[in-house]
Amino acid sequence: DIQMTQSPSSLSASVGDRVTITCRASQSISSNLNWYQQKPGKAPKLLIYAASTLQSGVPSRFSGSGSGADFTLTISRLQPEDFATYYCQQGYSTPHTFGQGTKLEIK
Amino acid sequence: EVQLLESGGGLVQPGGSLRLSCAASGFSFSNYAMSWVRQAPGKGLEWVSHISGGGDTYYADSVKGRFTMSRDNSKNTLYLQMSSLRAEDTAVYYCAKRGYSGGWYDDYWGQGTLVTVSS
Repeated sequence: DIQMTQSPSSLSASVGDRVTITCRASQSISSNLNWYQQKPGKAPKLLIYAASTLQSGVPSRFSGSGSGADFTLTISRLQPEDFATYYCQQGYSTPHTFGQGTKLEIK
Repeated sequence: EVQLLESGGGLVQPGGSLRLSCAASGFSFSNYAMSWVRQAPGKGLEWVSHISGGGDTYYADSVKGRFTMSRDNSKNTLYLQMSSLRAEDTAVYYCAKRGYSGGWYDDYWGQGTLVTVSS
């Protein structure tokens, strides 16, 4: 199985900051990497698929990059509604494993 | 508008069985793969299973042989039959519509249904 490792596990930032979350796969997954946002008590929401394609309706301050085994999610200017937990997921081969999550908190 | 509505969760004893359903609307159900993802209380997301439009299935090792995913395209409904349930199966179970762009992703999610396995 492909293991997905996110860093950091938690992050404190302020409104307006630029933040980057990293996801590393245990083997190459080409560009088959997705990012989700989850708020407490809610279902996950797809932000980015295929490493860098923004899902319809997602603000352009979210961006993704990377290929092979190393990927990043960047939020260019944090808004109050962005404080949540973020997960990466590989869609390359089953099981389609998730990273452990990164909790983004208000500083 | 895509809508996914899970049902069937509840309290079940260890070793018991439960069937979850996911009613889909707002898209051509039979044309899309679907998945189940679960989340134990206070924990991260865990991929559980995938079914193609034609019914091919794939499972996480943790549920293989105990869970069966199926679909009824005439009813636009997805199912997850769970048996030999264990305490570690306690989680919110989400169904999701899948997309494909060289790899799979989950673009729409239901609100989830809670399964609690406890005596």
